[in-house]
This record gives sequence, structure tokens and C-alpha cells, in this order.
Amino acid sequence: GQQLNQSPQSMFIQEGEDVSMNCTSSSIFNTWLWYKQEPGEGPVLLIALYKAGELTSNGRLTAQFGITRKDSFLNISASIPSDVGIYFCAGQLPHAGNNRKLIWGLGTSLAVNP
Amino acid sequence: NAGVTQTPKFQVLKTGQSMTLQCAQDMNHNSMYWYRQDPGMGLRLIYYSASEGTTDKGEVPNGYNVSRLNKREFSLRLESAAPSQTSVYFCASIGVAGVPAAETQYFGPGTRLLVL
Repeated sequence: GQQLNQSPQSMFIQEGEDVSMNCTSSSIFNTWLWYKQEPGEGPVLLIALYKAGELTSNGRLTAQFGITRKDSFLNISASIPSDVGIYFCAGQLPHAGNNRKLIWGLGTSLAVNP
Repeated sequence: NAGVTQTPKFQVLKTGQSMTLQCAQDMNHNSMYWYRQDPGMGLRLIYYSASEGTTDKGEVPNGYNVSRLNKREFSLRLESAAPSQTSVYFCASIGVAGVPAAETQYFGPGTRLLVL
């Protein structure tokens, strides 16, 4: 099925460093979502983006909806150990209709060294 | 609000056994989804229900059936489990939250299934 290209696949950083990850697609999306999944839990929504060019922050997290509507990035500033987890991007295609199905990236696994 | 709840949390089955995974949400959401998550594969949609009384196939529906019992509950059934169905299963529902209000997807904690 259709998937987003999410990169990098994994990151191992030092506490205090900034992190950047992104998702790209050959298709145009109406919505970009960024989720975080911690071990043994379901994904939790971090940031939702609904307009091209939109830049939204949630604490130390900042995400942008690309102007072309085909990409999005997530930045985490001043990483801390509790940022560890897998980060997923997800997009909703135009005309998704009543089903609201999402297209998912494969995730970026983040490890933070204290 | 409990949000999205799933039972059981863990299950071990033998090949050929059947079971039903339960999901319920108390947020009055219309749309509900079942995903499976496998290493390196991300989240793959099995079935979804846009509203009470309707269900549709997702990306990987083979070997599964679903029932949208009412607005709250959406169950996933494995009629004859196979080792390839070993996975973590997540239920999700879509609702509106935030300011300005916008649609977001809420996930349950998952059911870890091992088929021997």
C-alpha cells in the first residue's frame, strides 16, 4: 500500500541536542500528523497540521506542513531522555471522504544518551 | 473519559484457534479503525468503520472480520489464527479536539498477540 518516506529511520543523540526528522510523499496531503509511540503503548498525537506552510509548536516540538503539501518535518529542541520513542508521521489525502484513512510513515526511532 | 480501551492486553493462541479483540471508546466518535503493527512495517490498516453500522476493508483485511456493534464498540475477529498474524493490534477512533477544533486520531494501548 501507499506509504510515506520517513527519515531518518533511527537516531542516537546526546541529551541537549536538537533533532530533526521529515516525511515526504509523491502525493499531496490535506493533513499531516506527527505521533510519538513509547514502548508498550499506542501512538499519541503530538502535532496536527492542516494548512500548507503552517508552522506549529507544542513545547519543544515544532512541525511544519510543507508548501508543496508533499512533505512535513518535525523538530525537537534540547532533547531530554523522555523524548525516547518512535515518531511517526501520517498524512490524509484529499478526498479521503468519510473514512478519514491515514497514510503512515515507517517511523523514526529516537534514542537519547543522558 | 477512559478514551480508547482494548482487551485483552496480551494473548497467546495456537494455529487454528479463534479469538475476538475488543475495542471501545467513550468519546462519542463516529469513525473507528483497526491497525496491526509489525517491525519495519509501520502501522497497517486492517478494517475501519466510518460510522455505526458500516465497515470497510483496509490495506490488509485477509484473515480478519470486524463488527461495529454500536457507536462505542468495534471488535476484530480472527476466525482461524495463523503465525503470520502474530503482531501488535491497535484500535483507534477519530474525534475533534484542540483549539481551533480539528480532527485527531486517538489510539488504544494495543493487544499483543502471539500465534504459535
